[in-house]
Amino acid sequence: AQTVTQSQPEMSVQEAETVTLSCTYDTSESDYYLFWYKQPPSRQMILVIRQEAYKQQNATENRFSVNFQKAAKSFSLKISDSQLGDAAMYFCAYQEAGGTSYGKLTFGQGTILTVHP
Amino acid sequence: DSGVTQTPKHLITATGQRVTLRCSPRSGDLSVYWYQQSLDQGLQFLIQYYNGEERAKGNILERFSAQQFPDLHSELNLSSLELGDSALYFCASSANELFWDRGDYNEQFFGPGTRLTVL
Repeated sequence: AQTVTQSQPEMSVQEAETVTLSCTYDTSESDYYLFWYKQPPSRQMILVIRQEAYKQQNATENRFSVNFQKAAKSFSLKISDSQLGDAAMYFCAYQEAGGTSYGKLTFGQGTILTVHP
Repeated sequence: DSGVTQTPKHLITATGQRVTLRCSPRSGDLSVYWYQQSLDQGLQFLIQYYNGEERAKGNILERFSAQQFPDLHSELNLSSLELGDSALYFCASSANELFWDRGDYNEQFFGPGTRLTVL
């Protein structure tokens, strides 16, 4: 079974600084997706960024970028120019591509990010 | 607003009781997923339905059941409730075709969740 591990229960960053959240995963599949979701205090799940495993290029969405290391099964999220609104719980998630398990998301334990003014 | 609606927002009940959580997917989405977020278990997948049929099952207890109706809304039924069932229950929907090909991607859109408290 696929597993996702976030080893940082909590992280903090100063406003305008850069922070990196770590994630590792385990899978025997070659095609899959990886995601970072943000969950603010409102509890709404918000998709931050997506990475397709077959793409070598790291995904970028404005201030958010990932470092995808397929061989190492590592998937980190870098937040640049951190803003107060970035404070939230961040979940790393895995989704198998195709097959009978296609669709379901497997989540890590989450990392609480605090942004200091 | 993701377009996925869940009712009720909050539910408080007693141990041993039975409750039903309701989810309406985004217009046109055929797949519905249920997830449970609790302090003990984290965020975990429970079950998926595709166009009325059960498609995948996760760590869903036998006391829990779900179904998807012809109008594509879904209900999650929780029975013989225990204190440990207190959690936030999310529904998500996606277009999710049955067969995947490279280049295909169907984002899952999450509802606001139902907060269940078992006393």
